[in-house]
Amino acid sequence: KNQVEQSPQSLIILEGKNCTLQCNYTVSPFSNLRWYKQDTGRGPVSLTIMTFSENTKSNGRYTATLDADTKQSSLHITASQLSDSASYICVVSARSNYQLIWGAGTKLIIKP
Amino acid sequence: EPEVTQTPSHQVTQMGQEVILRCVPISNHLYFYWYRQILGQKVEFLVSFYNNEISEKSEIFDDQFSVERPDGSNFTLKIRSTKLEDSAMYFCASSVTSSYNEQFFGPGTRLTVL
Repeated sequence: KNQVEQSPQSLIILEGKNCTLQCNYTVSPFSNLRWYKQDTGRGPVSLTIMTFSENTKSNGRYTATLDADTKQSSLHITASQLSDSASYICVVSARSNYQLIWGAGTKLIIKP
Repeated sequence: EPEVTQTPSHQVTQMGQEVILRCVPISNHLYFYWYRQILGQKVEFLVSFYNNEISEKSEIFDDQFSVERPDGSNFTLKIRSTKLEDSAMYFCASSVTSSYNEQFFGPGTRLTVL
């Protein structure tokens, strides 16, 4: 069954610190993997999209990695800011129908 | 910057009533989607729409649901007879193509069924 699992479920860090969020997936055949940021009560906003041939992709202070062999991805946030407080969702697209399979998200809280 | 818009932002309705949620996708996009997110749960795919017809739908999207693109700009989701468990955030999204291209999400409509 196509699934996306994320860890940790929630994370609290101090402003200015770095953090790494994890994503494991069992989606096959794989098309691409996306990381979304979702503020409370708002729609998801895309951070990165990676295909199987891309190992790393950056968007400002966000860097995503992908290991298509082990089916793992991570999202690293550098020098966190209060505005980074949100849910970060890993989403994988299957090449068979391009339907998006959503993870449950990691709820990140940045404390001053 | 172009964005997906949704109306209303919050809809309260009585169980058994019909509701129509409205979306205006980004103008040059060809693929449109509806998702829902029950409070505290994962985002769930409902339906994708291309060339004036449904291209994919999930098990959630049963006969109670329908989608329509009544004119060149609006994309609507109708729930015929709402149930308590339909209470959720409903997100519309659009993309240029169906595969690699990212989907742009609207701000959502919070549906509360009493």
